[in-house]
Amino acid sequence: DAKTTQPNSMESNEEEPVHLPCNHSTISGTDYIHWYRQLPSQGPEYVIHGLTSNVNNRMASLAIAEDRKSSTLILHRATLRDAAVYYCILKMDSSYKLIFGSGTRLLVRP
Amino acid sequence: EAGVAQSPRYKIIEKRQSVAFWCNPISGHATLYWYQQILGQGPKLLIQFQNNGVVDDSQLPKDRFSAERLKGVDSTLKIQPAKLEDSAVYLCASNSGGGGYNEQFFGPGTRLTVL
Repeated sequence: DAKTTQPNSMESNEEEPVHLPCNHSTISGTDYIHWYRQLPSQGPEYVIHGLTSNVNNRMASLAIAEDRKSSTLILHRATLRDAAVYYCILKMDSSYKLIFGSGTRLLVRP
Repeated sequence: EAGVAQSPRYKIIEKRQSVAFWCNPISGHATLYWYQQILGQGPKLLIQFQNNGVVDDSQLPKDRFSAERLKGVDSTLKIQPAKLEDSAVYLCASNSGGGGYNEQFFGPGTRLTVL
């Protein structure tokens, strides 16, 4: 299974944009890039996913490098409720599996 | 829409005792997953069901862990006997199956402490 690399932790100020990076240099052509986040004392929740093109939804944006070896999750205006562990996961198109790494712990300062 | 339900939310047992966790997935979801999350780590898949059949249990320690999904709806995960290293949060997730971008919906988890 392809592996992702994320910083252990990041900090942001409230109401400022946050860019969470993820490296996945061994990504294959059929791997989707998924992002989940886990708020304190909760199960993970889906944030966004993409294959090749940049994606936007109500929660975040996903910017995917042209060579697909890295991606960035963008929170446009961080709030205190966005403080969580963010996981970048590669998922094969034909697979059900999510393989979680250690993720990035995002701290949001008021 | 009701989410994935899990019970109990917390459980404390002595080592060598038995424990069982229950999961009720989102209505209509054919695929159910059990994950183990040790403190400071990401969740690790233990077992995956498609309806009432096992799809993947390669990471399940079968000497002490068992799981079932009778009638393809609710599921139980059992540990017998428990060890200290089983202390973790046990997460249940479900989705309608399929590969690609099919998101998984997670329950709140059961926090197990083995003393």
